[in-house]
Formats: sequence, structure tokens, C-alpha cells
Amino acid sequence: DAGITQSPRYKITETGRQVTLMCHQTWSHSYMFWYRQDLGHGLRLIYYSAAADITDKGEVPDGYVVSRSKTENFPLTLESATRSQTSVYFCASRLAYTGELFFGEGSRLTVL
Amino acid sequence: AQTVTQSQPEMSVQEAETVTLSCTYDTSESDYYLFWYKQPPSRQMILVIRQEAYKQQNATENRFSVNFQKAAKSFSLKISDSQLGDAAMYFCAFEVTGANSKLTFGKGITLSVRP
Repeated sequence: DAGITQSPRYKITETGRQVTLMCHQTWSHSYMFWYRQDLGHGLRLIYYSAAADITDKGEVPDGYVVSRSKTENFPLTLESATRSQTSVYFCASRLAYTGELFFGEGSRLTVL
Repeated sequence: AQTVTQSQPEMSVQEAETVTLSCTYDTSESDYYLFWYKQPPSRQMILVIRQEAYKQQNATENRFSVNFQKAAKSFSLKISDSQLGDAAMYFCAFEVTGANSKLTFGKGITLSVRP
């Protein structure tokens, strides 16, 4: 089915480990985004990408790395996970430079 | 920088009644979009309604409507004939139009519906 999918949906890891959250969309949307959702903070933008090989920082980029070698994929890597990165992560995409965002189902990450 | 404020963390409404969720924003821009997103317990983010700042007419989608007051920088969501399925977290979001625009979200409000 067409859409935006995230994997894994749930992940438990330990402090200091590297973790990669995957995001794949089948619409060929140009723009893709990573948000994290924390109670009391709403959704905060981590990184976004306007096209393949073009990425930029959002509001809370520290501790995260992204890449976008193909239009449809936008993985988010935590190079050395910390407890403060325990959160629910949402990937989103949209066709044009503005307008409705389409979200994945979220990935719940717990860092012990 | 743009900010979005949802000052009420929780609200409750009786089934079939009407409820209004408040949102204010701060910007110096004149051309922008405003959104309300719903997040049910499934965690999926669902667009409820969208308003373009240049439109004076308030957006409406079935039981959902907004009261957009541009001068006051206010964007409230009214839910009429509330249903049990409306119980969710609701996020107000703001976006300046233009290249590389990004949505800024409020902290959200949890709406419960009493049967």
C-alpha cells in the first residue's frame, strides 16, 4: 500500500548504542521531516530534507544524524543514544514546499 | 521565530455537546497556514482542518470549524456534536509559506469525551 512507513515501531536500547530509525514513503514527496514527541513539548522538529542529498537542521538536532540518498528514504540515526532521547519519533512527508504533512505511525524509542 | 501556544493541557466535554480548543501564535509574517491535527490513542497524526491566513472565511470540515482571528493571532477549534471518537490529543500548528517552510506545533491538548 502507498504511504509512509516507519520501522521499528518499538525499540529498546542502552545508553551509548547506535540506533537507526527508518522512514520510507511511496508518494515520491520531495519534503521529509523527523519530529520527536515528548509530553509537555508537543512535536519538535529534529531534521528535515527538501530533496535527495539536501538536509537541514530543525529545532533539536543535537545527537542525531540524517541522510537522504534516495527520495523515498530518510533514516534517522542516534550515534550514541542517551536517556534524554527516549521519545516517540515521527517521520512525515509532503509533496510541495508547503501544505499538509503526512505522518508515519511513529517509533517509540526507549533508552535505558 | 514563530511560537504556538496551547495554554490548556486538558479539556473535557459531554457527548453531543460543543467544545472549543484554544490556540494562539506569534509571528511577524503575513502569509502563513494554520492547522489542527488530531492524535488518537493509536498515535497516528491526522489532519483535522487547515486555514490559509489570507482567507477571511473560517474553515469548516463537517463538525469541525475554526475561529480565526488574524489580528489577535488566535486560531481556535470548535467541535460540534462531540462524539466518543473525538477523544484524542489535538495539536495546533503554524507554518509560514515559502521555500523550506516547516510546521511549528503547540504542546497539545488532551480532549476527553464523557458518555
